Amino acid sequence: AQSVAQPEDQVNVAEGNPLTVKCTYSVSGNPYLFWYVQYPNRGLQFLLKYITGDNLVKGSYGFEAEFNKSQTSFHLKKPSALVSDSALYFCAVRFTYYNAGNMLTFGGGTRLMVKP
Amino acid sequence: SQTIHQWPATLVQPVGSPLSLECTVEGTSNPNLYWYRQAAGRGLQLLFYSIGIDQISSEVPQNLSASRPQDRQFILSSKKLLLSDSGFYLCAWSVRQAVSAEAFFGQGTRLTVV
Repeated sequence: AQSVAQPEDQVNVAEGNPLTVKCTYSVSGNPYLFWYVQYPNRGLQFLLKYITGDNLVKGSYGFEAEFNKSQTSFHLKKPSALVSDSALYFCAVRFTYYNAGNMLTFGGGTRLMVKP
Repeated sequence: SQTIHQWPATLVQPVGSPLSLECTVEGTSNPNLYWYRQAAGRGLQLLFYSIGIDQISSEVPQNLSASRPQDRQFILSSKKLLLSDSGFYLCAWSVRQAVSAEAFFGQGTRLTVV
């Protein structure tokens, strides 16, 4: 069965410092991996995804993520954090073959707090 | 471009009352549709998904049901709400049979059962 884990409930970082939000996955075969952000009382917004090719994926708002197959990880990164980046972040995984419903499996979420 | 609408944004309902949450998608055809529930601002629980009109699959047994009367309309219902039905409900869609496609979410409905 496929699964995704976000080992940190919360990440605290000072504004201007680099940030990393961790994600590890377990899936048979090659995965498709996604990152989403959620602001309070709002829906999830898509940030970026890994399908194939370059292991470093760039997405919205200056975020990027690095796919590491040997470590089965897909960590979200940003070189310089902003206070406005404070939100809840979700990692998600999907099989690379079609399954009925084509569902994403989500991690439990990591709350990012960026302090001025 | 595609958009997803979900309403109402907030809802306060008494225990035992019925529920109807609606979600519609514009700008695409034959989407996969999903209902998720988020408790306490954390993890997402998939409740239902649909790959076509009147084709609904339930992921967890519960007090809720879903229907898809039209291609781009997805409705979440309950005949009698329980206190445990409180939460943040999210509708989402994705392109059918596109395994690399991301899902797009509505703005959510905050349901409080009192």
